[in-house]
Amino acid sequence: GEDVEQSLFLSVREGDSSVINCTYTDSSSTYLYWYKQEPGAGLQLLTYIFSNMDMKQDQRLTVLLNKKDKHLSLRIADTQTGDSAIYFCAEKTRVKFYFGSGTKLNVKP
Amino acid sequence: DTGVSQDPRHKITKRGQNVTFRCDPISEHNRLYWYRQTLGQGPEFLTYFQNEAQLEKSRLLSDRFSAERPKGSFSTLEIQRTEQGDSAMYLCASSAGSLLAGVGTGELFFGEGSRLTVL
Repeated sequence: GEDVEQSLFLSVREGDSSVINCTYTDSSSTYLYWYKQEPGAGLQLLTYIFSNMDMKQDQRLTVLLNKKDKHLSLRIADTQTGDSAIYFCAEKTRVKFYFGSGTKLNVKP
Repeated sequence: DTGVSQDPRHKITKRGQNVTFRCDPISEHNRLYWYRQTLGQGPEFLTYFQNEAQLEKSRLLSDRFSAERPKGSFSTLEIQRTEQGDSAMYLCASSAGSLLAGVGTGELFFGEGSRLTVL
């Protein structure tokens, strides 16, 4: 459960969709999470998905989970400049949480 | 505000000094976690508490690090004889966990972090 991987950077134009990808290793993960971190701040929970679900939609956010490939993605529709931040995926195994290195999303006006 | 609070937000110290960070979790949360985050990395697990019991410590937590949660409420993380490699953001998080592992999502709620700079 300690190898959670994400691409480091993503750059999109305002109004476009952003897709941030993540792979994890522990098939016994119960929940998978997406957190957002703005400069100098702690992590803020965006959304989560239970491991027996394939998809979860929450306003502009769509989470897709492919358990077979251990692949998680976060889609942000109509990306805004305020969405610029670092996005972390995390897997929960029993009581411990493992985080990826984060994907820095840059939204160009 | 009833979120997780950490103090101090920033600490600059000289190598060899001791530092202590405090975390006040969300009041009804019985699990409390400490993570360390260095530049360009995600949070790395250090330790966690279920109420006042420290149930797991990472190998990252050398014997210079000690954490306590004496009454199952606030927690302190002390670093003795600081080294330059200890420079990082120390994040505290709490969750509404249960003695039954995996019950509920138990998502982590993070504080703003305590940034340590060791000169």
